[in-house]
Amino acid sequence: QSALTQPPSASGSPGQSVTISCTGTSSDVGGYNYVSWYQQHPGKAPKLMIYAVSKRPSGVPDRFSGSRSGNTASLIVSGLQAEDEGDYYCASYAGGDFVVFGGGTKVTVL
Amino acid sequence: EVQLVQSGGGVVQPGGSLRLSCAASGFTFSNYYMTWFRQAPGKGLESVAKINQDGSGKYYVSSVKGRFTVSRDNAKNSLTLQMSSLRDEDTGVYYCATEDFWRMDVWGQGTTVTVS
Repeated sequence: QSALTQPPSASGSPGQSVTISCTGTSSDVGGYNYVSWYQQHPGKAPKLMIYAVSKRPSGVPDRFSGSRSGNTASLIVSGLQAEDEGDYYCASYAGGDFVVFGGGTKVTVL
Repeated sequence: EVQLVQSGGGVVQPGGSLRLSCAASGFTFSNYYMTWFRQAPGKGLESVAKINQDGSGKYYVSSVKGRFTVSRDNAKNSLTLQMSSLRDEDTGVYYCATEDFWRMDVWGQGTTVTVS
């Protein structure tokens, strides 16, 4: 069982928006500004999409954004495109030696 | 080009050993914590081991403590994970990654470890 809770799946049509939630506690998601999101395509390595809750690395489209409310972080993908299909994982610092991950959300572009 | 290139991995019997390597290029390797992650078949990501910039600090998740050893050679821009007493549950794809303020910016391509 993962430390952070994500919905197993999410979907949307091209051009629509999809939001993925990541629920933790005040000891992880709600307690530190170290929430990050990773995109993973089948058979590929994860790719950093969002860090520090809402910051976007260079090269990541601005269609990807992050936010947080209390103990729940969210990844919003606007203007959904076919290449956005894949698995998305949230991660958070939790006070220990390692980040903790969510179980992952499979995004399907209809 | 900033990249991490992994090697090693393979099929090993339970109780056996394996060594994974991760070669860095295109960035100042010695500036970063380095972390190993793994992903069991069809499952999510899991932290495995981490080493600080100069190798003086090493951290392991409880399930691998005493069996896995992480090391680095900053002169050679290389990271290693020595795995011993391997178990079925160690099966998966292993990734190395840079870690900076609890975010993983650069990832290796992954290498498969099968314990069977």
